Amino acid sequence: QKEVEQDPGPLSVPEGAIVSLNCTYSNSAFQYFMWYRQYSRKGPELLMYTYSSGNKEDGRFTAQVDKSSKYISLFIRDSQPSDSATYLCAGGFTGANNLFFGTGTRLTVIP
Amino acid sequence: GAGVSQSPSNKVTEKGKDVELRCDPISGHTALYWYRQSLGQGLEFLIYFQGNSAPDKSGLPSDRFSAERTGGSVSTLTIQRTQQEDSAVYLCASSLERTSEQYFGPGTRLTVT
Repeated sequence: QKEVEQDPGPLSVPEGAIVSLNCTYSNSAFQYFMWYRQYSRKGPELLMYTYSSGNKEDGRFTAQVDKSSKYISLFIRDSQPSDSATYLCAGGFTGANNLFFGTGTRLTVIP
Repeated sequence: GAGVSQSPSNKVTEKGKDVELRCDPISGHTALYWYRQSLGQGLEFLIYFQGNSAPDKSGLPSDRFSAERTGGSVSTLTIQRTQQEDSAVYLCASSLERTSEQYFGPGTRLTVT
């Protein structure tokens, strides 16, 4: 079983829709979580970094962590065509030297 | 400021040849990571450097893979006797310290023919 599971999609939504991207994880030692956005043929770009359960908001993006159910989500409000990319979730903990990534969800926002 | 840079951006090599991939981390970042991303796969951890400490090589898939970091800054990932299954995007990331946000470079797309 992978440390982090993520539905690969693809996911297509109309412009302006609310997008929900989700991951589950199996390692209860995870202490912090990150969401990355990756455009085609580019490196991953850090979007959100959260260290505890609850919500963290940044503009149109909200990251949600539920450690009791080992579930993390990224919500995108008022989605734009420029949001079309692959979204990667990742978890980490103090004793690890690396992040553990999901396989990514490919999102297309249709104008 | 300048982000993480990697070179070359693309590399095509013949099976059996050696390749070197370079990473310049963000200035002041003490932690440096190499990951590999294959089509349809998540990022696979390869190796981690932190300051002058011994690197964590636990993710290297075989002894054909090695990496070094000179002067606590630039890192080189070397793949010897490349195989077709080595074809992937090799990503480098750096962070201020181990548990802080990791910032990625654009990657090197390696194709072994």
